[in-house]
Amino acid sequence: AQSVTQLDSQVPVFEEAPVELRCNYSSSVSVYLFWYVQYPNQGLQLLLKYLSGSTLVKGINGFEAEFNKSQTSFHLRKPSVHISDTAEYFCAVSDLSRGSQGNLIFGKGTKLSVKP
Amino acid sequence: KAGVTQTPRYLIKTRGQQVTLSCSPISGHRSVSWYQQTPGQGLQFLFEYFSETQRNKGNFPGRFSGRQFSNSRSEMNVSTLELGDSALYLCASSLTPETGRVEQYFGPGTRLTVT
Repeated sequence: AQSVTQLDSQVPVFEEAPVELRCNYSSSVSVYLFWYVQYPNQGLQLLLKYLSGSTLVKGINGFEAEFNKSQTSFHLRKPSVHISDTAEYFCAVSDLSRGSQGNLIFGKGTKLSVKP
Repeated sequence: KAGVTQTPRYLIKTRGQQVTLSCSPISGHRSVSWYQQTPGQGLQFLFEYFSETQRNKGNFPGRFSGRQFSNSRSEMNVSTLELGDSALYLCASSLTPETGRVEQYFGPGTRLTVT
């Protein structure tokens, strides 16, 4: 079965520092990959997605992610974070294999805490 | 264009009761998916509806059910509530299940607390 592992449950970082949130997935077939952000008491907002093509994907709010097929990873990065980036971030995959349900499979989330 | 709306936003119920949650998708979207979010299990897929038919169902007991109306609005029902059903229930909409593989739009969720 498809699974997604977010290697860090919490990431504290100082404002204006770079950050990387790690995500690995298990799959031997094609997948679509996503990063979502969830602010307190809100739903999920799509940050970026990888469907095909260039392995470097740029999203909203200055975030980008790199798809690495050989390492089955899709790490999220931002060169300089702001206090407003404090939120929980979820990596997700959509399994494209025959017979899959096609629903999103989420990682457990990474809480990013940006300190002044 | 209005986003996905969910009602109510907060709900407190007692063990053994049943509850109905509502989701109105973005106008024109015909596919609605439901997810349960808990601190222990994270985000888990419940079911997906399209054209008033349940297309897919996650690994949840039969106490969890849903339906979709002709206007694409969806409801989910949980009967005989248990403490473990306390969660944030998220609804997501897309034009079709196929476009849902590419992009889903999430509502703010309904926070259910079972006491």
